[in-house]
Amino acid sequence: DGGITQSPKYLFRKEGQNVTLSCEQNLNHDAMYWYRQDPGQGLRLIYYSQIVNDFQKGDIAEGYSVSREKKESFPLTVTSAQKNPTAFYLCASRNGNSLSDGYTFGSGTRLTVV
Amino acid sequence: AQSVAQPEDQVNVAEGNPLTVKCTYSVSGNPYLFWYVQYPNRGLQFLLKYITGDNLVKGSYGFEAEFNKSQTSFHLKKPSALVSDSALYFCAVRPLLAGKSTFGDGTTLTVKP
Repeated sequence: DGGITQSPKYLFRKEGQNVTLSCEQNLNHDAMYWYRQDPGQGLRLIYYSQIVNDFQKGDIAEGYSVSREKKESFPLTVTSAQKNPTAFYLCASRNGNSLSDGYTFGSGTRLTVV
Repeated sequence: AQSVAQPEDQVNVAEGNPLTVKCTYSVSGNPYLFWYVQYPNRGLQFLLKYITGDNLVKGSYGFEAEFNKSQTSFHLKKPSALVSDSALYFCAVRPLLAGKSTFGDGTTLTVKP
């Protein structure tokens, strides 16, 4: 079955450490997105990519970085510059050929600073 | 810039009663509108979307939504709620030519037996 796989499901980060969250899709979707979810704040866009080797900052990009070297993969790195990284991170994709399509989401990664 | 408001943090209904989860939006031009549902510790699942045409859109699990252009609203409805409908619901808007969606803060629906 096609879908989006996020790994790991749970991740613990020490102070000053960079961590990378994985997002892989086999839906042949062009567009991919990273959102951060905090209680009571809904989803906030971190980065998005509409095509390989290109990506744009979202509303809260500071302290995060991404790459899009392959269509299937859109990893997110949470750097030490992100002062409050504890959150639930969601990756999504969308068929770039159909602007009216909704997103397909992964199951999320819960990141906790220890 | 586009925005979405879900004015109710929490909606409580009894099983078998109709439910409504409210959503209003602000966007330049005509939008695409979406509803998603999230169960605990899971990603969001697509429920339904409005593109154009009929103002009443039907989606998964018996849900429907009514688009009202003059009130810039897109309320989610279901004629008879189930306990299993209890979840977090998100409304989202995307301008026609934009690549990204903006989400509301979510509404927690609780259906009591």
